[in-house]
Amino acid sequence: AQKITQTQPGMFVQEKEAVTLDCTYDTSDPSYGLFWYKQPSSGEMIFLIYQGSYDQQNATEGRYSLNFQKARKSANLVISASQLGDSAMYFCAMRETQDSSYKLIFGSGTRLLVRP
Amino acid sequence: EPEVTQTPSHQVTQMGQEVILRCVPISNHLYFYWYRQILGQKVEFLVSFYNNEISEKSEIFDDQFSVERPDGSNFTLKIRSTKLEDSAMYFCASSEIGLAGGPTGTQYFGPGTRLLVL
Repeated sequence: AQKITQTQPGMFVQEKEAVTLDCTYDTSDPSYGLFWYKQPSSGEMIFLIYQGSYDQQNATEGRYSLNFQKARKSANLVISASQLGDSAMYFCAMRETQDSSYKLIFGSGTRLLVRP
Repeated sequence: EPEVTQTPSHQVTQMGQEVILRCVPISNHLYFYWYRQILGQKVEFLVSFYNNEISEKSEIFDDQFSVERPDGSNFTLKIRSTKLEDSAMYFCASSEIGLAGGPTGTQYFGPGTRLLVL
């Protein structure tokens, strides 16, 4: 079974509008972390936002927020007021802590295109 | 703002040749990682490294791969005899130590080395 599932291979959004990128995960570990990274066409991986499994509040970082629904095992990224520079590939990732594993497990990504 | 750096940005090599990819992690980070991303595919974990030894490695990280921290700042990935299927973007990442002694959650990635094996 996939640990991280991103069901939207591609998304369009109009500039200045909000967009939600979906991510669902599968784990039996009670302690885990969820991450979103942005990969522009230049190729680098840019950390955006982190949510811990025990965090009571949804994480927010500027225009990025994470809609964390633990019972549904979803961690959707919301980008508000989209900008042209937001056009990129977005990856959801999970880190489990059982067995002292610290590796990130990535989803297949969603390509976001912001239209002017 | 401190960042992870990687050299070279691009490397072209012939099949069977050895390559060394270099990384300089963020200076106060003590956990280091290598990931790779084959073109158009997801990012895959290769290996993690702490206290001068491998903490964890994936099935991809076979005997052709090795990692080393040759000095206080560099972290290297060596591929002994490259194959065509090693063509990928290779990312180095690093993270801090948390209060409990393990790494903190966030891994910061370098800009990547794009490796092409001909």
